[in-house]
Amino acid sequence: NAGVTQTPKFQVLKTGQSMTLQCAQDMNHNSMYWYRQDPGMGLRLIYYSASEGTTDKGEVPNGYNVSRLNKREFSLRLESAAPSQTSVYFCATSPTRSGYNEQFFGPGTRLTVL
Amino acid sequence: DQQVKQNSPSLSVQEGRISILNCDYTNSMFDYFLWYKKYPAEGPTFLISISSIKDKNEDGRFTVFLNKSAKHLSLHIVPSQPGDSAVYFCAASASWGGADGLTFGKGTHLIIQP
Repeated sequence: NAGVTQTPKFQVLKTGQSMTLQCAQDMNHNSMYWYRQDPGMGLRLIYYSASEGTTDKGEVPNGYNVSRLNKREFSLRLESAAPSQTSVYFCATSPTRSGYNEQFFGPGTRLTVL
Repeated sequence: DQQVKQNSPSLSVQEGRISILNCDYTNSMFDYFLWYKKYPAEGPTFLISISSIKDKNEDGRFTVFLNKSAKHLSLHIVPSQPGDSAVYFCAASASWGGADGLTFGKGTHLIIQP
């Protein structure tokens, strides 16, 4: 029972390159989230998916796209990476979209854009 | 504009004593509050939560207090142990009518001194 897994763990990109961060969960949760954490900052919501087939923007969506491939998987895509996207990215899940739920986080992907 | 504020970037406490971490919020729509603990190179892990219908919630050594009129919550850890050394994030959500996802503070780095 792995919980929430993220791949890759580390990635270095050059400005302008594209990549997809993968997230998968085996908790049978409906809602999934992508956050970023910058040094000295809290986590900020990029995109979320309340259920399979739906996605919505969070606080900082610019420069990102997402795909909710199925109930288990939620990917985050950077089409043209910029140095400002250097950050640690966390995927999270929760049973439903109700606010009365804790969220469960993956281990993170550390991305550096040169 | 930060909606969840943790004004102490770091806190040092002796082992065995009480650790008190503070959090303030500005959004009146928030009605569910959570504390997460984060070790380096790991994702945040859920610690304890409280809904706005309560003013206190206990779980073992951890107690969260909520003062709605002051828009303030605090996390008490008694007694503090070396394994409690980590970054603690306060987070909030608006269960109904608010945006999905959690709003995080910037975190407080708790250091337990032997």
